Amino acid sequence: KAGVTQTPRYLIKTRGQQVTLSCSPISGHRSVSWYQQTPGQGLQFLFEYFSETQRNKGNFPGRFSGRQFSNSRSEMNVSTLELGDSALYLCASSLQAGTETQYFGPGTRLLVL
Amino acid sequence: DAKTTQPPSMDCAEGRAANLPCNHSTISGNEYVYWYRQIHSQGPQYIIHGLKNNETNEMASLIITEDRKSSTLILPHATLRDTAVYYCIVRDYYGGSQGNLIFGKGTKLSVKP
Repeated sequence: KAGVTQTPRYLIKTRGQQVTLSCSPISGHRSVSWYQQTPGQGLQFLFEYFSETQRNKGNFPGRFSGRQFSNSRSEMNVSTLELGDSALYLCASSLQAGTETQYFGPGTRLLVL
Repeated sequence: DAKTTQPPSMDCAEGRAANLPCNHSTISGNEYVYWYRQIHSQGPQYIIHGLKNNETNEMASLIITEDRKSSTLILPHATLRDTAVYYCIVRDYYGGSQGNLIFGKGTKLSVKP
């Protein structure tokens, strides 16, 4: 069974731009969570989607948003990019929401110049 | 905040067992202990999880003390490819609205030839 896939793998943007990252979960998985990893803050939870609904959100500004489609694929969007948004963005999928084991994708490395 | 405490770094000789400790003295009865590892800038890889009994799979063994206040991840025959940051996470079984993983700083395991 194929794992979690994320596109693109690498991205360079400039301040003020916006970016959309994509995540395809493991086949049959209905929950997708997003995490941000930076050297200073480590791995931090962004949000979780299940059945096209956001069911949990971390402590990030409203510039960070996401959505989930009926096929469970998910996108996250960051608007008005700041230098501090440079990070590895990780997507994880699980069968159901909340308690199931989460399996991570390889991540998208975003560099904001 | 993460509810676990791990040593920042450990060394292990190739071929020997690697024993990674984790303290979770405030764990509640509903919380599982999860272990993930992250090899340089890749997505975290799920290793194992348990509630109160010891667990073993093809990757590792998890030993949880009887009072559940600490646990040890054991890699029975460490190889150079096991060099990674290992994260110990406690997670509410019932999930509720807080199914996300809360990562601490983890233990940097260096396997040396």
